[in-house]
Amino acid sequence: DAGITQSPRYKITETGRQVTLMCHQTWSHSYMFWYRQDLGHGLRLIYYSAAADITDKGEVPDGYVVSRSKTENFPLTLESATRSQTSVYFCASTLTGEYQETQYFGPGTRLLVL
Amino acid sequence: GQNIDQPTEMTATEGAIVQINCTYQTSGFNGLFWYQQHAGEAPTFLSYNVLDGLEEKGRFSSFLSRSKGYSYLLLKELQMKDSASYLCAVRVLTGGGNKLTFGTGTQLKVEL
Repeated sequence: DAGITQSPRYKITETGRQVTLMCHQTWSHSYMFWYRQDLGHGLRLIYYSAAADITDKGEVPDGYVVSRSKTENFPLTLESATRSQTSVYFCASTLTGEYQETQYFGPGTRLLVL
Repeated sequence: GQNIDQPTEMTATEGAIVQINCTYQTSGFNGLFWYQQHAGEAPTFLSYNVLDGLEEKGRFSSFLSRSKGYSYLLLKELQMKDSASYLCAVRVLTGGGNKLTFGTGTQLKVEL
């Protein structure tokens, strides 16, 4: 089915481990985004990408790394996970980011760092 | 930076009308979105405003006043399934393109 998918949907890891969250979209959207959602903070932008090989920091990028070698994939890596990175992570995409175009969200990845 | 405020919680009765307010302070304003998010699910798009005025879409309407930095989402004929979090998001134009900044959301509870 076409759409935006994330994997894994649930992940438990330990402090200090490297974790990669995957995001894949089949719409050939140019823009892709990573958010984290925490109680009391709402959705906060971690990184975004305007096209393949173009990425930029969002509001809370520290501790995260992204890459975008292909238009359809936008993986998010936690280089050395910390407990404060326990959160729900949402990937989103949009075709051009212009005008009334909305962002479409993936189902989310629930990450627990012990 | 951007600052977006919306009430944390609201309660309303099935069949009634509820208005969820959102105020914002931002530079480079390029549109305001409302999203609905049910518990444990992803946000889904409800409405978009870039010009002043009211946009109506079925039971949902959204209003924008750019000069006041104010928007509201109006939900009519409330149903139990409308119990969810409602997120106000402002799009700003930056050197890197358009980005969304979200409020913390308003948790709406619809009661019988």
